[in-house]
Amino acid sequence: QVTLKESGPVLVKPTETLTLTCTVSGFSLSHARMGVSWIRQPPGKALEWLAHIFSIDEKSYSTSLQNRLTISQDTSKSQAVLTMTNMDPVDTATYYCARINVVVVGPTYYYYMDVWGKGTTVTVSS
Amino acid sequence: DIQMTQSPSSLSASVGDRVTITCRASQSISRYLNWYQQEPGKAPKLLIYAASTLHSGVPSRFRGSGSGTDFTLTISSLQPEDFATYSCQQTYNTAFTFGQGTKLEIK
Repeated sequence: QVTLKESGPVLVKPTETLTLTCTVSGFSLSHARMGVSWIRQPPGKALEWLAHIFSIDEKSYSTSLQNRLTISQDTSKSQAVLTMTNMDPVDTATYYCARINVVVVGPTYYYYMDVWGKGTTVTVSS
Repeated sequence: DIQMTQSPSSLSASVGDRVTITCRASQSISRYLNWYQQEPGKAPKLLIYAASTLHSGVPSRFRGSGSGTDFTLTISSLQPEDFATYSCQQTYNTAFTFGQGTKLEIK
């Protein structure tokens, strides 16, 4: 059974750095073409994709947040880690990690997020 | 980044109704389009990937179609458990953006 679990602080102060960890089980972060994505959702608002990382250490970041985000992984610990600097109250949200899976049709790779963690709520307040 | 726009933002319907939700991309994304369902307080669930492929275990009343810039999610006969928020997502480029979501409510 594939599971992902987010962990990190519930409360951070403005200007602090947030570090979130996604611990996975049931699949390996070394698996070719599988990856982990981070997504957040402010209260009552839409999902916002933040970043992802693949086993080949390919990384991608949201254009609007790329200066504040760093994603990494420790395959030995089955963990993907997201750091976000200079936190602000507008960053208050539920943060999810999800597995990125792929189906290959000829030369085409279709990516999708098939298993999600339950999310962790982060509040930014002084 | 590719912008994804869903319509409507909210929708009221009754059990047994057929509903359609639209997702439009700001540029052509071929068939790199996924749909997710999210119940209040829960994580999203994958419904459809590659525009029209039903994820394992998803009921056949859900149908995805489209390519290029225009996509639709159709639920053929609404069931009580279908009242939720639906979001589209493109994976055409490396920034996997989401639409703003469509909230499906009971009439």
